[in-house]
Amino acid sequence: DTGVSQDPRHKITKRGQNVTFRCDPISEHNRLYWYRQTLGQGPEFLTYFQNEAQLEKSRLLSDRFSAERPKGSFSTLEIQRTEQGDSAMYLCASSSGLAVSTDTQYFGPGTRLTVL
Amino acid sequence: AQTVTQSQPEMSVQEAETVTLSCTYDTSESDYYLFWYKQPPSRQMILVIRQEAYKQQNATENRFSVNFQKAAKSFSLKISDSQLGDAAMYFCAYRTTGANSKLTFGKGITLSVRP
Repeated sequence: DTGVSQDPRHKITKRGQNVTFRCDPISEHNRLYWYRQTLGQGPEFLTYFQNEAQLEKSRLLSDRFSAERPKGSFSTLEIQRTEQGDSAMYLCASSSGLAVSTDTQYFGPGTRLTVL
Repeated sequence: AQTVTQSQPEMSVQEAETVTLSCTYDTSESDYYLFWYKQPPSRQMILVIRQEAYKQQNATENRFSVNFQKAAKSFSLKISDSQLGDAAMYFCAYRTTGANSKLTFGKGITLSVRP
C-alpha cells in the first residue's frame, strides 16, 4: 500500500488551456474526495465519489470543472478554459467508507496548478 | 453551515516545550467528529488526532492530546515535548456523521519549533 498518489505534482499552464489531474486512491478505498487549497487557506471541498458515483459537488465546482471516477478506482479532475483564479493546490483524499464512525481520509501530496 | 475558526495564524515553541493550538467551530448538530491534521512543508497532510463529539473523554495520541469543550465549541490541540519534526501547518477540521463525510477545515496555523 503506497498511499494516495497524484499526478502531476506540478502543472503550469496558460490561461484558457485545459488541464487534467489524476488521483489514485489507496486500493480498495471506495470513497474519494477532491479538495482545493489556496495559499494561506485550509482545503475546501470540491466533490466526492462513492465508488464510481459522484454523490456531491460543491458550489465551488463551476461548469468548467468536471470530475470522473469511471471504474471506481482512479479519478480525474479536469479544468477547462483555466483562469488565473484556478491557481491552487488540488488535493485528493480517499477513505474506506466501511463505517462512518471510523472513516478516516488519507490525503495525497496534491497537484499544484499555476495559471499564467 | 458548519464553520471552523483558527484565529492564530502562527505560533512558535521551544523544542521540548508544550504548545497549545486553538480551534473553535460552529454547528447546530449534536453529533459530529473533529480532527487535527498536520501538513509539513511540501509534504502531504496526515491525520494527527480525532475526537468523537459524543465522547466526553479527550482523545490522546502519544505526545498529542486535545481539550474538547463541547458546550463552548472549542477543540484545542496540545503538543507535549515538542520536536523539530512537529514544525508544520496544523488544520482543525469538522465532519458530520452523515454519509458524505466531507471535511470542513479552518485556515490553519503555522507552527515553528525553535531548537
